[in-house]
Amino acid sequence: DQQVKQNSPSLSVQEGRISILNCDYTNSMFDYFLWYKKYPAEGPTFLISISSIKDKNEDGRFTVFLNKSAKHLSLHIVPSQPGDSAVYFCAASPLSGGSNYKLTFGKGTLLTVNP
Amino acid sequence: GAGVSQSPSNKVTEKGKDVELRCDPISGHTALYWYRQSLGQGLEFLIYFQGNSAPDKSGLPSDRFSAERTGGSVSTLTIQRTQQEDSAVYLCASSPPNQPQHFGDGTRLSIL
Repeated sequence: DQQVKQNSPSLSVQEGRISILNCDYTNSMFDYFLWYKKYPAEGPTFLISISSIKDKNEDGRFTVFLNKSAKHLSLHIVPSQPGDSAVYFCAASPLSGGSNYKLTFGKGTLLTVNP
Repeated sequence: GAGVSQSPSNKVTEKGKDVELRCDPISGHTALYWYRQSLGQGLEFLIYFQGNSAPDKSGLPSDRFSAERTGGSVSTLTIQRTQQEDSAVYLCASSPPNQPQHFGDGTRLSIL
């Protein structure tokens, strides 16, 4: 069973507009959530994270929102730029003993930002 | 180098052969992880090292898969008697304690 779900395989937005990428999870033990960005033939690059004690974390153009009751998180990119075009993976982990490991990933969403 | 380094970047081998994949983590990172990504799938956890110990091997798909880490640094993932379903991109990541994982570019393994 998929414990982390990204239901949109792809998303296309215009440059300058907002991109919203969504992620749902089923495991109540997940305490720590991350977004990674991946270009073809490269490894995933860490973007932003949030722990379950927060509902929002912001870093420049990237904001992650967490709704624990709905087991849902989203990544907002504002404004979107063509260089943001990549596959975005949502990942989750239980904070076991204070250390995160054993990330569970969604299948990814391909974001295309059109000039 | 500054990042996680994996070798080889590509490996093509015949079914039944053994393969060895290497990971050089970022210097000073105590934790090291192996994942694999099959076509159209997300990353799947394989094994986690803390130092040279592997507290969690739960993701290894079969006893044909093994991994070791020496000197708290380099790790090798070995797949014996490869099967076609082993074809995937194998990714290594490392991290300091309580920090996000940093990934290498992976080894693309193709079993003919």
